[in-house]
Amino acid sequence: DAGVIQSPRHEVTEMGQEVTLRCKPISGHNSLFWYRQTMMRGLELLIYFNNNVPIDDSGMPEDRFSAKMPNASFSTLKIQPSEPRDSAVYFCASSTTGQNTGELFFGEGSRLTVL
Amino acid sequence: SQELEQSPQSLIVQEGKNLTINCTSSKTLYGLYWYKQKYGEGLIFLMMLQKGGEEKSHEKITAKLDEKKQQSSLHITASQPSHAGIYLCGAAQSYNTDKLIFGTGTRLQVFP
Repeated sequence: DAGVIQSPRHEVTEMGQEVTLRCKPISGHNSLFWYRQTMMRGLELLIYFNNNVPIDDSGMPEDRFSAKMPNASFSTLKIQPSEPRDSAVYFCASSTTGQNTGELFFGEGSRLTVL
Repeated sequence: SQELEQSPQSLIVQEGKNLTINCTSSKTLYGLYWYKQKYGEGLIFLMMLQKGGEEKSHEKITAKLDEKKQQSSLHITASQPSHAGIYLCGAAQSYNTDKLIFGTGTRLQVFP
């Protein structure tokens, strides 16, 4: 079975450019999470969707960040304009709400470098 | 807000040695989750603990949740190079939710 698929795996861009990260969750999962991982701050939850609806976006750093989930099989995280401090690995994870197993299925991440 | 602190931050052990990683929460835990991350990859779920005093094992890895439900330990017996990676504990914000916050992680290296 295909796991969570993220693209691109690596992105290098210049400050001020728009960055779009993509995620395809596991089919049948109805919860989707975007996390950001850095050495300094560890793994931070940015936003959480349930049934395609954003439930909690309190972790989104600022207005430069936005996330969408137009359907159950696709989500995007956009940064506009990007800044060097946005450099991190961005993970998407999905799960089935209500199972209460705590088992999130993570993608392999998108490593973003903003110069 | 809830915070999870892990110790040690990093660990280097010789193959065959036992080791323990600790995770302490600033609040009562509704559920404590252990994940492993291999370098350059996503996180893999290891196990979940919910009840005070609960203990679970997966191969040579054992995790315990203390009675007060604010601390967990992960113990690896007879470590192997395949155990190397970053171990993260995660906590649910409430019951019946998969929304997790994570600790800072413990980086484990195992040398032959």
